[in-house]
Amino acid sequence: SQQGEEDPQALSIQEGENATMNCSYKTSINNLQWYRQNSGRGLVHLILIRSNEREKHSGRLRVTLDTSKKSSSLLITASRAADTASYFCVDAGNNRKLIWGLGTSLAVNP
Amino acid sequence: EPEVTQTPSHQVTQMGQEVILHCVPISNHLYFYWYRQILGQKVEFLVSFYNNEISEKSEIFDDQFSVERPDGSNFTLKIRSTKLEDSAMYFCASKLAGEYSPLHFGNGTRLTVT
Repeated sequence: SQQGEEDPQALSIQEGENATMNCSYKTSINNLQWYRQNSGRGLVHLILIRSNEREKHSGRLRVTLDTSKKSSSLLITASRAADTASYFCVDAGNNRKLIWGLGTSLAVNP
Repeated sequence: EPEVTQTPSHQVTQMGQEVILHCVPISNHLYFYWYRQILGQKVEFLVSFYNNEISEKSEIFDDQFSVERPDGSNFTLKIRSTKLEDSAMYFCASKLAGEYSPLHFGNGTRLTVT
């Protein structure tokens, strides 16, 4: 497992706007997972994209993967105040440890 | 939906004391993990456990730390002699086998060492 680097470190938007977060990684992946962490709480799995997939949707979430650029993006559409959290990407190819970055801290203002 | 439960939610202890943090993973999961997060810092891996033994551990997980799965449902983390720098949120996680199975986290135990 390798650490993903999330960008930007912080993002502040208005409710209803879309939020885009990016993730870069260094070596090839098996699958990339996105997680959310509300302040002081455990991480919650959002979505997984396999290395042979380019795009995946889940509700208001859209994840893309570009293996040639070693990057992924997470788009949250029509954001809500409840989306305020930190978001992390991780390379999760096997059952071994996950290595976490600093995440993107998203603030959605009502 | 089944979830990972951790108790207590907050534990205060004095330096040098032993603490045991409790976790009940999701019942059909096979892999178990402890992570910790010092306030304002990254989530750090401590240890993974599979088939009743430690499968991987980090440098943080020294002789002061131990894990047990005593009865097939609980998964505990013991810190023998706590230090001030052990103050952190401790997260338990579990997963099914398979490379596409996500981690399921508990809500953590906040450990404060005074």
